[in-house]
Amino acid sequence: KQEVTQIPAALSVPEGENLVLNCSFTDSAIYNLQWFRQDPGKGLTSLLLIQSSQREQTSGRLNASLDKSSGRSTLYIAASQPGDSATYLCAVRTGAAGNKLTFGGGTRVLVKP
Amino acid sequence: DGGITQSPKYLFRKEGQNVTLSCEQNLNHDAMYWYRQDPGQGLRLIYYSQIVNDFQKGDIAEGYSVSREKKESFPLTVTSAQKNPTAFYLCASKGQGHEAFFGQGTRLTVV
Repeated sequence: KQEVTQIPAALSVPEGENLVLNCSFTDSAIYNLQWFRQDPGKGLTSLLLIQSSQREQTSGRLNASLDKSSGRSTLYIAASQPGDSATYLCAVRTGAAGNKLTFGGGTRVLVKP
Repeated sequence: DGGITQSPKYLFRKEGQNVTLSCEQNLNHDAMYWYRQDPGQGLRLIYYSQIVNDFQKGDIAEGYSVSREKKESFPLTVTSAQKNPTAFYLCASKGQGHEAFFGQGTRLTVV
């Protein structure tokens, strides 16, 4: 059974510092890994999608790496801003026809001005 | 704009009542999903549908029912058999490259 873990559960940093969020998963047989952002009381916004054949993806200040063999992904957010404060979730896709999306518990980030 | 629309944003249910949550998408995606999110827990899959007129149980389907009569629509009914329905419900679809897209959620509260 696939299990996804995100550590730490919460993180507080001063504005301008780089953020490093970790995600680990137990079964390396994945289609892809996706990072999401969730603001309080809102839905999930997709940040980055890394296919199983890829090592990393970049979008603006965001960079996500994937090491399938070790079951790890890292999301880097450069030069954090107060607007980056949110919960960040990672999820891995597995199963027949890729219908199983297993989520980690999330990392709650606070960027202090 | 293309996307997933969930309604209502807030829903209140009395004991013993069935309620239906709406999910509509205009992304032309075949696969749609319903998840439940509880405080301090990850998202859990309730039901999913890969194609019109077909759906499958997820990990926590008891007390829920769905239908998929149109490609664009995947409503979720929370029945009176669901003993602890208070939660945040999220609808999603799966696009090219198996990318997931989510709606803005419906918060259901039992009163």
